Amino acid sequence: GEDVEQSLFLSVREGDSSVINCTYTDSSSTYLYWYKQEPGAGLQLLTYIFSNMDMKQDQRLTVLLNKKDKHLSLRIADTQTGDSAIYFCADPGNTGKLIFGQGTTLQVKP
Amino acid sequence: DSGVTQTPKHLITATGQRVTLRCSPRSGDLSVYWYQQSLDQGLQFLIQYYNGEERAKGNILERFSAQQFPDLHSELNLSSLELGDSALYFCASSVNSGIITDEQFFGPGTRLTVL
Repeated sequence: GEDVEQSLFLSVREGDSSVINCTYTDSSSTYLYWYKQEPGAGLQLLTYIFSNMDMKQDQRLTVLLNKKDKHLSLRIADTQTGDSAIYFCADPGNTGKLIFGQGTTLQVKP
Repeated sequence: DSGVTQTPKHLITATGQRVTLRCSPRSGDLSVYWYQQSLDQGLQFLIQYYNGEERAKGNILERFSAQQFPDLHSELNLSSLELGDSALYFCASSVNSGIITDEQFFGPGTRLTVL
């Protein structure tokens, strides 16, 4: 079945870049998503990338997609303490049902 | 604020009991999705309703059921509760039937604790 894998934890210093990685198995996906979950809150859609794109930039966020390796990454430039959260990549496959990775906890140290 | 509301925010109950979680989608959204987030299973899709009809089913236990009412709000019923059902239950809504370009907006979740 579909599977999405992420590393569980990343710690960076304020001002550094953060890179969160994700691998997926379902190659039928037309879009791939990144969600952010702050403590005690629901999931917020951060950004998404269309499968025929290699890269998408949105202010401090850069998404890279390697379809051959089924690898997705989210880069946050100039990481701030407010970026501390859990980040999920999600793959809708061809059904629209979101399959989530385990989530990467990003810790930003001042 | 996503516009999706969920009640209650917290729920504490005992094993064997039954609870009902409620979700109101964003105005105009026809689809409602339920997800379960637990420490051991992560974030899992349970079930989707579109305009009152069940649309898709995921890893939902037989002890769990859901429905979507004519006013489009949805309820998730959990019965014969077990300790392992303790989790954060999210509702999400989207405009359409869940086609892959359809953004899902998530509510703040209901935290269920089964003692």
